[in-house]
Amino acid sequence: GEDVEQSLFLSVREGDSSVINCTYTDSSSTYLYWYKQEPGAGLQLLTYIFSNMDMKQDQRLTVLLNKKDKHLSLRIADTQTGDSAIYFCAESDPGTASKLTFGTGTRLQVTL
Amino acid sequence: DGGITQSPKYLFRKEGQNVTLSCEQNLNHDAMYWYRQDPGQGLRLIYYSQIVNDFQKGDIAEGYSVSREKKESFPLTVTSAQKNPTAFYLCASSTLAGLNEQFFGPGTRLTVL
Repeated sequence: GEDVEQSLFLSVREGDSSVINCTYTDSSSTYLYWYKQEPGAGLQLLTYIFSNMDMKQDQRLTVLLNKKDKHLSLRIADTQTGDSAIYFCAESDPGTASKLTFGTGTRLQVTL
Repeated sequence: DGGITQSPKYLFRKEGQNVTLSCEQNLNHDAMYWYRQDPGQGLRLIYYSQIVNDFQKGDIAEGYSVSREKKESFPLTVTSAQKNPTAFYLCASSTLAGLNEQFFGPGTRLTVL
């Protein structure tokens, strides 16, 4: 299957911006997603971007998509301690409706 | 309230025993999924189902079995053939159209002693 890669760990100070990066392999994915996982819980959809877009902004979140380089990023402005979690990027499988391939996850640690 | 439930939250079993993890959804979703999560490896798809009485293997199906007799339910059995069953198991569901957002249950942590 496709490989979706992320760095494993990111540490930022409260109030700074966080940037979490992801590289994916399937250029025909329709949607790319960012999910958030709180400790010991399931995942929740944080935001998504349609493949024909370059950027999407949603309050403190900015998603950038570079299709040429197959690179996706999530920027969190004014990072808070409540943002500490694992963040997964995911790509849709164009061959199978609703199937997703998830990245390895990036653990974001917010320090005071 | 609509959502996905998984039970139990924690499960302990002796090596060599089969164990079944429950997943129920009342979102009227057609598709359901089972993932396994291990530290540093992200989520890996075990099985998925897009319609009742039909399911497909994911990337790591060996040692697992599923059934989909009802739309609402998608139980996962971890058999004794699974070589390393200790993990966090997540169930999800989604529609088959549009954004296909997957909704996740709270997970079951299985420990095999």
